Amino acid sequence: QKEVEQNSGPLSVPEGAIASLNCTYSDRGSQSFFWYRQYSGKSPELIMSIYSNGDKEDGRFTAQLNKASQYVSLLIRDSQPSDSATYLCAVRGGGADGLTFGKGTHLIIQP
Amino acid sequence: ETGVTQTPRHLVMGMTNKKSLKCEQHLGHNAMYWYKQSAKKPLELMFVYNFKEQTENNSVPSRFSPECPNSSHLFLHLHTLQPEDSALYLCASSLWDSMNTEAFFGQGTRLTVV
Repeated sequence: QKEVEQNSGPLSVPEGAIASLNCTYSDRGSQSFFWYRQYSGKSPELIMSIYSNGDKEDGRFTAQLNKASQYVSLLIRDSQPSDSATYLCAVRGGGADGLTFGKGTHLIIQP
Repeated sequence: ETGVTQTPRHLVMGMTNKKSLKCEQHLGHNAMYWYKQSAKKPLELMFVYNFKEQTENNSVPSRFSPECPNSSHLFLHLHTLQPEDSALYLCASSLWDSMNTEAFFGQGTRLTVV
């Protein structure tokens, strides 16, 4: 059974600092990896995707993937209060398989 | 207009009612999904449709019945639900034939079964 593990938090980070969110997955055949942000009462919003080992940067966000360790992370630089949300890690095996999600990490950015 | 639209946004229904949730995508995608999000649990994949054909059913009870008349529309028909079925129901879409494809979600339907 495919599993995606995340620390549920809450993770509290001071404004302006780097927030580091981590995720591990069980299926070695996983091909695609995603980070979604979900505000309370809202639907998940895609913020990053990564498909190959290494780092991928987009603005203040950096996704990191290590397939050998089955580990995905998301770094948020210069954290803002508006970054406070639940961050969901999602993994796909291939093609249009449905995504397997972790429970999410609740991030709080303290002003 | 948003890429993936779900209606209604909120629904309260009795256990003997029959209702339907609707999802429409305007992204040119050909795969559509239903997910369930309950408190304290990860998003759960319910159904997957590829080019209108159902390709995955994750042991969902028969009181949930999906329908996909074309690649842009997806329905979830509900009947004789239980209070534990109360949750946020999310529709998503993506491209089927791309390995590196992103899924986009609608705003969800908040369902309460009384």
